[in-house]
Amino acid sequence: GAGVSQSPSNKVTEKGKDVELRCDPISGHTALYWYRQSLGQGLEFLIYFQGNSAPDKSGLPSDRFSAERTGGSVSTLTIQRTQQEDSAVYLCASSLGGSDTIYFGEGSWLTVV
Amino acid sequence: SQQGEEDPQALSIQEGENATMNCSYKTSINNLQWYRQNSGRGLVHLILIRSNEREKHSGRLRVTLDTSKKSSSLLITASRAADTASYFCATDYPNDYKLSFGAGTTVTVRA
Repeated sequence: GAGVSQSPSNKVTEKGKDVELRCDPISGHTALYWYRQSLGQGLEFLIYFQGNSAPDKSGLPSDRFSAERTGGSVSTLTIQRTQQEDSAVYLCASSLGGSDTIYFGEGSWLTVV
Repeated sequence: SQQGEEDPQALSIQEGENATMNCSYKTSINNLQWYRQNSGRGLVHLILIRSNEREKHSGRLRVTLDTSKKSSSLLITASRAADTASYFCATDYPNDYKLSFGAGTTVTVRA
């Protein structure tokens, strides 16, 4: 596709369940980012993948959060044992790497009830 | 924190007026990017300005960068109702390409 694609657009889950959020970056982009945005807040960095390098996981808030990127393309963000404070929009972004423009997807809105 | 900070937090203007918002940051940057967000969903990239640039234009948008003051401004000229959105600045740093975002400026353009 032409842009960063994320699925699902919206997800409602029960507290304690696991969720998976998917990101398809722009074709050819080697850098991929995950951010989280709580209601009315700025963006909080979660994790950064660049090519075959070890990911920068410094923003993951707890060990319930993990992400992987298969084949240098699609990425999945997994949240285990979801809590109500995990409710947020999860935004994926990609770029050609380095200090190039970073393009965002439309986000996945997660609601934990 | 290396986060940028936008000022003001909120701005309400009449259609046709200009809107100016500012962004300050704390340490030397590689680039500064401005984004627009409608209704809390995806971010739309507006302009990237590099640390060796001082001004860039894109349509009705003008971005300036003053590295001595560690600040940037975004000017929207001849605003329209469709410009109603939240605007964020984001910075990246040497050898650290993840973007750090400020809390954003919410702009409301009244018809």
